[in-house]
Amino acid sequence: DAGVIQSPRHEVTEMGQEVTLRCKPISGHDYLFWYRQTMMRGLELLIYFNNNVPIDDSGMPEDRFSAKMPNASFSTLKIQPSEPRDSAVYFCASSAPDRAPYNEQFFGPGTRLTVL
Amino acid sequence: DAKTTQPNSMESNEEEPVHLPCNHSTISGTDYIHWYRQLPSQGPEYVIHGLTSNVNNRMASLAIAEDRKSSTLILHRATLRDAAVYYCILKETSYDKVIFGPGTSLSVIP
Repeated sequence: DAGVIQSPRHEVTEMGQEVTLRCKPISGHDYLFWYRQTMMRGLELLIYFNNNVPIDDSGMPEDRFSAKMPNASFSTLKIQPSEPRDSAVYFCASSAPDRAPYNEQFFGPGTRLTVL
Repeated sequence: DAKTTQPNSMESNEEEPVHLPCNHSTISGTDYIHWYRQLPSQGPEYVIHGLTSNVNNRMASLAIAEDRKSSTLILHRATLRDAAVYYCILKETSYDKVIFGPGTSLSVIP
């Protein structure tokens, strides 16, 4: 298995532009998590899905952030408009249904976002 | 969420055992103890988990105190590739998500 796939790996954009980050979870996993990591705040959970349905989005910082999961093999995290303070590494993770209640998560390599 | 406390950083010599402590005095009966680690420029990876008994796997061992208020992740022979941030996390059985704290940054000295 290829593991969790994220694209792009690096993104540099200018303030005000729309940014879309993509994630393909491990096949068969029914949980998908989006995290953000910065030096100041560490690793923060933004939102997670179960069977393509958003379960908890309390970590989404503001309305500029949105996440979708149109099918079991694809999710997007969108920032519109982007701001310099959104610069961070964004991770996607997935976990398998048959591992409950342990639910260890498998993380992707991350997308490093820089907003100028 | 029940909280964990870990030292900010630790050092170990290569090929020596490493004991990474974690305090979780407010742990509840349904909380699992999970450990993840994050190598430089990579996403976190799962290491091990336990509930009450000590656990071993190919990566590490987890020793859990009898009262469950603390635990220790044991790397039996540290290698340079074990240099990472190690996160101790409590996961409630009924919750799907995990909350990462600042973790312990482990340096391995050749």
